[in-house]
Amino acid sequence: DVKVTQSSRYLVKRTGEKVFLECVQDMDHENMFWYRQDPGLGLRLIYFSYDVKMKEKGDIPEGYSVSREKKERFSLILESASTNQTSMYLCASRIRNTEAFFGQGTRLTVV
Amino acid sequence: RKEVEQDPGPFNVPEGATVAFNCTYSNSASQSFFWYRQDCRKEPKLLMSVYSSGNEDGRFTAQLNRASQYISLLIRDSKLSDSATYLCVVYNAGNMLTFGGGTRLMVKP
Repeated sequence: DVKVTQSSRYLVKRTGEKVFLECVQDMDHENMFWYRQDPGLGLRLIYFSYDVKMKEKGDIPEGYSVSREKKERFSLILESASTNQTSMYLCASRIRNTEAFFGQGTRLTVV
Repeated sequence: RKEVEQDPGPFNVPEGATVAFNCTYSNSASQSFFWYRQDCRKEPKLLMSVYSSGNEDGRFTAQLNRASQYISLLIRDSKLSDSATYLCVVYNAGNMLTFGGGTRLMVKP
């Protein structure tokens, strides 16, 4: 079974903190994604990566950055957390043209 | 116009009913299509891929209409456990997966 693991299920951070969300997949997938999901807005793509050290902006990259130093790990970084970044964050991975597999999600609250 | 659109619902149906959802997409170059299921506070999980010829998996049938640019999901003999949000997902060139907003289904006893 494909396994996509996010480092935390729940996280509470203060405004202005630098926040790291980690995602690891064990199936050698080239493509990895970070989404956020908010009520009424659905899943919105923040960034994706199609290979090591490669990244592309999604629909809402502002306030976020990413890092992919190794194929299995894709990190999402909130440089200076703000309350409007309170959300559910979902990581996914896939091989080209196949379905995506999701991590269990990280519910981030910024206070 | 959103790239992938779904009726958010909720669809409230009795057990045993047949229910259908549609999802429209705007990019005619879209290549692959999927239906995902998401339970409350959980991650989305693949329900089924959607093939050009249509496909069936037990009580679930998915169809693709490229001419009209929509995909559909039909659920027969609804169960209480089918209550969830159903997400339409479209894959475009450039490795992009785009999600619809989801359709919420509630199956009542």
